[in-house]
Amino acid sequence: KNEVEQSPQNLTAQEGEFITINCSYSVGISALHWLQQHPGGGIVSLFMLSSGKKKHGRLIATINIQEKHSSLHITASHPRDSAVYICAVRSLVVDYQLIWGAGTKLIIKP
Amino acid sequence: KAGVTQTPRYLIKTRGQQVTLSCSPISGHRSVSWYQQTPGQGLQFLFEYFSETQRNKGNFPGRFSGRQFSNSRSEMNVSTLELGDSALYLCASSQDGTYGYTFGSGTRLTVV
Repeated sequence: KNEVEQSPQNLTAQEGEFITINCSYSVGISALHWLQQHPGGGIVSLFMLSSGKKKHGRLIATINIQEKHSSLHITASHPRDSAVYICAVRSLVVDYQLIWGAGTKLIIKP
Repeated sequence: KAGVTQTPRYLIKTRGQQVTLSCSPISGHRSVSWYQQTPGQGLQFLFEYFSETQRNKGNFPGRFSGRQFSNSRSEMNVSTLELGDSALYLCASSQDGTYGYTFGSGTRLTVV
């Protein structure tokens, strides 16, 4: 079993829909990152969370440390949101090392 | 401010050759991490350097090595290239490896 599991693996939705991507992990962590990778390889760091909730524009990230679970929400989705969304956790066991989820490929259709 | 710069962007090498990739972090960032991304395996951690010292290493063979210079620029070297080394190699920098990773655009290596 992978230490970081993302769901769904693939998600196709219509423009305007509310999107939720989930990330569950099994190790103790000091922080969790959400990243976005566009076709062509460019990776953008969206959020780093250690507790609670963060919001930036139409993106919202939440984390529940007790349940070892985080969600990334996109409100009013747009085709330009189409990308791979990756969750990564910083392990308490292996310091400074990020453990990566496999990513969620999101396609937003106009 | 300038982002993380990786050079070259694209590279084609022959099996058995060696290759050196370069990563210039954001000014002031002392941590540089390297990742390999392939369609089947996703992002895999190679190693992390902080203040010229390798602080962490992933599960890759010894053919993969790296170093960091006093100006925080980092190089990654792969010797005796294999076809399976074809991948996108990404580096990320942060101030101290605990916050705010910024990724470069990557170097796409093709081994033929």
